[in-house]
Amino acid sequence: QVQLQESGPGLVKPSETLSLMCSVSGYSISSGYFWGWIRQAPGKGLEWIGSIYRSGNTYYKSSLKSRVTISVDTSKNQFSLKLSSVTAADTAVYYCARVDSQSFLDYWGQGTLVTVSS
Amino acid sequence: QSALTQPPSASGSPGQSVTISCTGTSSDVGTYDYVSWYQQHPGKVPKPMIYEVNKRPSGVPDRFSGSKSGNTASLTVSGLQAEDEADYYCSSYAGSNNFVFGTGTKVTVL
Repeated sequence: QVQLQESGPGLVKPSETLSLMCSVSGYSISSGYFWGWIRQAPGKGLEWIGSIYRSGNTYYKSSLKSRVTISVDTSKNQFSLKLSSVTAADTAVYYCARVDSQSFLDYWGQGTLVTVSS
Repeated sequence: QSALTQPPSASGSPGQSVTISCTGTSSDVGTYDYVSWYQQHPGKVPKPMIYEVNKRPSGVPDRFSGSKSGNTASLTVSGLQAEDEADYYCSSYAGSNNFVFGTGTKVTVL
């Protein structure tokens, strides 16, 4: 069974960089699939942030592209998210997920709430 | 990459059917048969319900069905049950390994 687990600080100061890790078990990232990050602001809808392939090729939502970096460490079976220059608008539950069939998120992590506040 | 448009709410009585629309453009829903649907109960992780327009992952009841016509995709829940009350989100591939979510629909079982 594929399982994903997000980890990282739950509180980030404005203008700093949000950093999250997604640890994958039950499947080797190096075997294939894209791996993605999604977020959901309190009371709001889902927002795709970006995805990464095992090769390291990345794809980001255009409006976030200047601030987002997604990377993968196949040796540790993990991929990560960095979002720079955060503001209160970046406060959200952040999910990592496996991407199948171009855009189908078939396995999700439990999500982690990140609050941007001084 | 504008969000796909869904009605804010939909409702039906137990046993009835409810259909949720998801309207995109010729750059996403209209071009690709990669539309997915997710169910999210309050405080829970989104659950995949439909992929590739009308395919159900293992374990999803056949009361849930998907379709697409032009730039609009739809999710129909037949035989509504109390546990179907949740938020539903569509998503579509938008080319170049990008995808976009819908605005979300709250389904209420009356």
